[in-house]
Amino acid sequence: QKEVEQNSGPLSVPEGAIASLNCTYSDRGSQSFFWYRQYSGKSPELIMSIYSNGDKEDGRFTAQLNKASQYVSLLIRDSQPSDSATYLCGGETSGSRLTFGEGTQLTVNP
Amino acid sequence: NAGVMQNPRHLVRRRGQEARLRCSPMKGHSHVYWYRQLPEEGLKFMVYLQKENIIDESGMPKERFSAEFPKEGPSILRIQQVVRGDSAAYFCASSPKQGRANQPQHFGDGTRLSIL
Repeated sequence: QKEVEQNSGPLSVPEGAIASLNCTYSDRGSQSFFWYRQYSGKSPELIMSIYSNGDKEDGRFTAQLNKASQYVSLLIRDSQPSDSATYLCGGETSGSRLTFGEGTQLTVNP
Repeated sequence: NAGVMQNPRHLVRRRGQEARLRCSPMKGHSHVYWYRQLPEEGLKFMVYLQKENIIDESGMPKERFSAEFPKEGPSILRIQQVVRGDSAAYFCASSPKQGRANQPQHFGDGTRLSIL
């Protein structure tokens, strides 16, 4: 079992819709989770971090963490074409290194 | 630019040569991480370093790869006797000194390594 798994993509949504990205993890000791956005050929850019159960909102982005279900998600409201990118879910495992899922490619269609 | 600085941005080597990748962390950051990203794949952890110490190298191949973060100067990821399979993007990330265990990591622009 992979330590961090993301829902298979690619994911395509129309402009203005809600994009839902999901991630599960296997290490119950993981305490911190991060969502990064990566445009093609570019570096990962941190967009959300979440450490506690529940929801965390920042503008159009909402991260959700459920430690009992070992589940992390990212919702993007009012999706824009500029949100089209690969989204990486990362969990902090022992020793502070991040373990990433394979990424979900999101396309927002105008 | 106060971000994580990596150089070179692109590096071309022939099989058997050595590749040296450099990373200067963000100001105030003392933790450095190296990740590798193969085409169309996710980021894979390689090594975690603090000044003059390797903390976790569980993701590093046992041969040909080494990393250091000296007291002065940038962190270096060194790949000896490169092979075609080493072609990838290598990203460095840094985080602040650990007061909490969950400081986000910030990534540099990466070094794209191509092996001829």
